[in-house]
Amino acid sequence: AQRVTQPEKLLSVFKGAPVELKCNYSYSGSPELFWYVQYSRQRLQLLLRHISRESIKGFTADLNKGETSFHLKKPFAQEEDSAMYYCALSLAGGFKTIFGAGTRLFVKA
Amino acid sequence: NAGVMQNPRHLVRRRGQEARLRCSPMKGHSHVYWYRQLPEEGLKFMVYLQKENIIDESGMPKERFSAEFPKEGPSILRIQQVVRGDSAAYFCASSPGGAASPYEQYFGPGTRLTVT
Repeated sequence: AQRVTQPEKLLSVFKGAPVELKCNYSYSGSPELFWYVQYSRQRLQLLLRHISRESIKGFTADLNKGETSFHLKKPFAQEEDSAMYYCALSLAGGFKTIFGAGTRLFVKA
Repeated sequence: NAGVMQNPRHLVRRRGQEARLRCSPMKGHSHVYWYRQLPEEGLKFMVYLQKENIIDESGMPKERFSAEFPKEGPSILRIQQVVRGDSAAYFCASSPGGAASPYEQYFGPGTRLTVT
């Protein structure tokens, strides 16, 4: 069965510290993976997608098919990064997206 | 462009009543997706619709739930005879269509349904 697992419900780091939000997936097909972010009182929005291999707001994520992981990383966390982060997997065809339960990132001053 | 609109933002229903949730996609978007988020859980896919067509409803409960996206007007998610377990946040997303479409889902603010 397809599944996305985010093992940490809450991650708290100090400003300037590196941050890594973990995501593991289970899918027998070719995965399309994404990270979505929801800032306080804002809507859910796409942060980045693995096929783009881009860095958004200093965040990067590498798809590791061997470990079935798509961890989100940033070398130096900022207070404005505090938000809810969701890892998501789109199945073949892209129309059905499976979300993880989310990790709340809290960056302390 | 006002973005994806959902109304109402909060809806309270007694057990057995009907709940109607509306979603107006972004201008120019012809694809709509509905998700449900239970407390402490991620968003769960319910249904994917294009104008006047249900494309994938594999995440929709077989009974009491229905969705439509008419030629004119918003998409409607309808829950008949609500039960307490239907209490959740319901999110709608839209996308423009085309090859890259599924990856460009824009989300609404959600409707929080509370069943008393």
